[in-house]
Amino acid sequence: DGGITQSPKYLFRKEGQNVTLSCEQNLNHDAMYWYRQDPGQGLRLIYYSQIVNDFQKGDIAEGYSVSREKKESFPLTVTSAQKNPTAFYLCASSMAGRVTDTQYFGPGTRLTVL
Amino acid sequence: AQKITQTQPGMFVQEKEAVTLDCTYDTSDPSYGLFWYKQPSSGEMIFLIYQGSYDQQNATEGRYSLNFQKARKSANLVISASQLGDSAMYFCAGGLEGNQFYFGTGTSLTVIP
Repeated sequence: DGGITQSPKYLFRKEGQNVTLSCEQNLNHDAMYWYRQDPGQGLRLIYYSQIVNDFQKGDIAEGYSVSREKKESFPLTVTSAQKNPTAFYLCASSMAGRVTDTQYFGPGTRLTVL
Repeated sequence: AQKITQTQPGMFVQEKEAVTLDCTYDTSDPSYGLFWYKQPSSGEMIFLIYQGSYDQQNATEGRYSLNFQKARKSANLVISASQLGDSAMYFCAGGLEGNQFYFGTGTSLTVIP
């Protein structure tokens, strides 16, 4: 079955720690995205990548970092510089990153800072 | 300015009735895509329906249809014959400019038995 997997489902972090969220897709999509969702709100774009070894900042990139070494993988690191990281994180992919391409989402990772 | 606007924070509908969820968008580009997603309590975003800016006809997918009014810049989702399992958050999204998606703030739909 083709799809997007995210791990872990739940993640707890102590203040001052960096954590990495995994996102893998086997849809053969070129473009991948990371979003953050806070309670009762829509999705905000953190980073996106349209091709291997290239990525761009979204609206709320501060305190986050990404890499895109493989087409299938787009991990997100939440650094200690992110002031309020508790949120629901969603990874998505689309065929080529065009405005008319549907984005498909993974099941999400819920991050809580203790 | 908001690129995607959903003005209904919450909606109620009787089971088996139809319901319309509103969405307006803002773009000056001629080429864009409009999408609706369903987010149940589990959190996953489920793609429902897509409408391209050049599509002549309104999109339909089973019980979902998209009422696309280009001049009004609106892309309302119509769910026919509502079911209890339709209770969820619904997000309108637009692939509008700069190869970016913009999401609305969502509408919480509750289906009443």
